[in-house]
Amino acid sequence: SAVISQKPSRDICQRGTSLTIQCQVDSQVTMMFWYRQQPGQSLTLIATANQGSEATYESGFVIDKFPISRPNLTFSTLTVSNMSPEDSSIYLCSVTISNQPQHFGDGTRLSIL
Amino acid sequence: DAKTTQPPSMDCAEGRAANLPCNHSTISGNEYVYWYRQIHSQGPQYIIHGLKNNETNEMASLIITEDRKSSTLILPHATLRDTAVYYCIVRVVSNQGGKLIFGQGTELSVKP
Repeated sequence: SAVISQKPSRDICQRGTSLTIQCQVDSQVTMMFWYRQQPGQSLTLIATANQGSEATYESGFVIDKFPISRPNLTFSTLTVSNMSPEDSSIYLCSVTISNQPQHFGDGTRLSIL
Repeated sequence: DAKTTQPPSMDCAEGRAANLPCNHSTISGNEYVYWYRQIHSQGPQYIIHGLKNNETNEMASLIITEDRKSSTLILPHATLRDTAVYYCIVRVVSNQGGKLIFGQGTELSVKP
């Protein structure tokens, strides 16, 4: 299975600032996804990162707040913009390769003061 | 995708089999049952999946009822490292590329 690296692994940010999270995979993948896990909650899909085109966002998530890039088959970024304490969560990248089940990185733990 | 129902928590003695149930009464004929688990401070880990036949791999066994309205994940000899939240997910698989919709899962505590 693919090795997924997320950077940073954790961060503490000031409200009103933005943070870009990187997801790097060691092999070419078919699809890439971004999830959010709020404290004590399950995972919620933010969007599907599409190579070379705009991401597909789930209900309740918008591009202005969570801009996503995917310039190639192994890399994607998620930006959390104009952060507030409610954005304190774990943000996870996941990928699929061909017909294999979806695999997840260990996430970025984000706290906003 | 069909909705799943799982007990919020379960306990299991170390060395015993852990049997985690999942109800998916509205499952469609082309929907698979997937199981993932999330150990504290890690991302979800794929365990096993199946359509209608029982499945077994090095991690677990998946038993799906004949009417496919429920399933059970079996960890045959639970260890302390199996303490985690276990998620049962039902989804259509066309090319394995679809999104996963997570419920609240079952928090399994394996005790010495």
